[in-house]
Amino acid sequence: DIVMTQSPDSLAVSLGERATINCKSSQSVLYSSNNKNSLVWYQQKPGQPPKLLIYWASTRKSGVPDRFSGSGSGTDFTLTISSLQAEDVAVYYCQQYYSAPPNFGGGTKVEIK
Amino acid sequence: EVQLLESGGGLVQPGGSLRLSCAVSGLTFSNYAMSWVRQAPGKGLEWVSTVSSSGGSTYYADSVKGRFTISRDNSKDTLFLQMNSLRVEDTATYYCAKVVPPSTYYYDHWGQGTLVTVSS
Repeated sequence: DIVMTQSPDSLAVSLGERATINCKSSQSVLYSSNNKNSLVWYQQKPGQPPKLLIYWASTRKSGVPDRFSGSGSGTDFTLTISSLQAEDVAVYYCQQYYSAPPNFGGGTKVEIK
Repeated sequence: EVQLLESGGGLVQPGGSLRLSCAVSGLTFSNYAMSWVRQAPGKGLEWVSTVSSSGGSTYYADSVKGRFTISRDNSKDTLFLQMNSLRVEDTATYYCAKVVPPSTYYYDHWGQGTLVTVSS
């Protein structure tokens, strides 16, 4: 099984500042047939289901604000919120879909400082 | 608008059974694989099971294999999860989620979830 490890567990960022969340997989999730990384990022606000933000590690889902960006390859990935807004307070999860079971990271809670 | 609406959760004793349903609207249900993902109170997300678009292929997490059965009724646009031999550690909110093709394992639409509590 591929183990997904996120860091930090939580972070507090001032409004308008950058938030950076890291995700590491225990083995590469690079899909050789298309040279893309099988990794997604979700946002989960309190009392709500997760919402897909980014797939293939760096492709933003339609309608997701461009302050959200994903980067990385192989085993190391990053979700960046370039300018934190109040509505971005949430828990963020990475998940690999390279192989079963499709494990999630433990989540990173983002709060306002 | 795509909508997924779970039902069937509740309180059950250890060893008991429960059947969850997920009614889907706003898309051609039979075109998409579907999954169940759960979240224990205050914890992270855990994939439970996936069924192919036709229902012919099913996949399970080791933690539920042999106890849970996923199925679907494409004539009624409904996904099911039959949960038997329930354990305290199965307590969670269970979400149904639509798989993004051609992958098998990531999700662009989720229901609001139904809470399953296993307790004596």
